[in-house]
Amino acid sequence: RKEVEQDPGPFNVPEGATVAFNCTYSNSASQSFFWYRQDCRKEPKLLMSVYSSGNEDGRFTAQLNRASQYISLLIRDSKLSDSATYLCVVTFNSGGSNYKLTFGKGTLLTVNP
Amino acid sequence: DGGITQSPKYLFRKEGQNVTLSCEQNLNHDAMYWYRQDPGQGLRLIYYSQIVNDFQKGDIAEGYSVSREKKESFPLTVTSAQKNPTAFYLCASAQQGDLYEQYFGPGTRLTVT
Repeated sequence: RKEVEQDPGPFNVPEGATVAFNCTYSNSASQSFFWYRQDCRKEPKLLMSVYSSGNEDGRFTAQLNRASQYISLLIRDSKLSDSATYLCVVTFNSGGSNYKLTFGKGTLLTVNP
Repeated sequence: DGGITQSPKYLFRKEGQNVTLSCEQNLNHDAMYWYRQDPGQGLRLIYYSQIVNDFQKGDIAEGYSVSREKKESFPLTVTSAQKNPTAFYLCASAQQGDLYEQYFGPGTRLTVT
C-alpha cells in the first residue's frame, strides 16, 4: 500500500458543482494532515490543515477519519479559479524532532464554464 | 514581507556541471526542506534540516548535497553524480510544532542537457 494515495483524477466539473477528493494513508501513527493546492508550474500552497473534528473554510470542507485512515476535501459551488492540482499531505514524527511529510501525487481538477 | 525565495527561477546547465540552487527564508522557521517534482509525480524529499549545522538525507539524496550554515539559508547543490537532474526543485520551511505546516518557495526549474 502506498504511503499516501489519492484519487487519480482528473476531475472535470462544471462551475457550481460540488466535488470531493479522497486520500488514504498507510501509517496509522500519522499526526497531521493537510490539503495543498498547486497551480500549473507553481509551488504548492497550503489550502487547509485537517483537524480530527473536521473543519470548514468557506466553500471548502476537510474531514479526517483516523479509524479508516483517510481524509477528504469537499469543494462546494466550484469556481473557475478552483482549477488546480490538489495535494494530500500527511505528517508523522519519525523520532525526536524529526517530522516526515509525505505527499500524494495530487488530483487535477478542472472547472469548466 | 515574510516568505521564502528561491533563485534563479530557471536554470540551464550542461551535463557534468555542478549547480547550486539558492533558498532563503525570513520566516524564522527552524526547519527547511528540499523536494524535487517530476511531471506526473508527487513531491519527493531530497534533504531536510531541522536546525542550523545539521541536516538529514531524504528519500532521494544521492547526487545532491546541502549545507545549513545559517538559519535563513539552505542551498542545494546538484552534482554531476545525479543521473536525472532535470526537474522542478522546491524549497520549503516549517516552524516546529503540533501542526508543522510547510510553506514553499516559488521553485527553480533546472534543465540539464
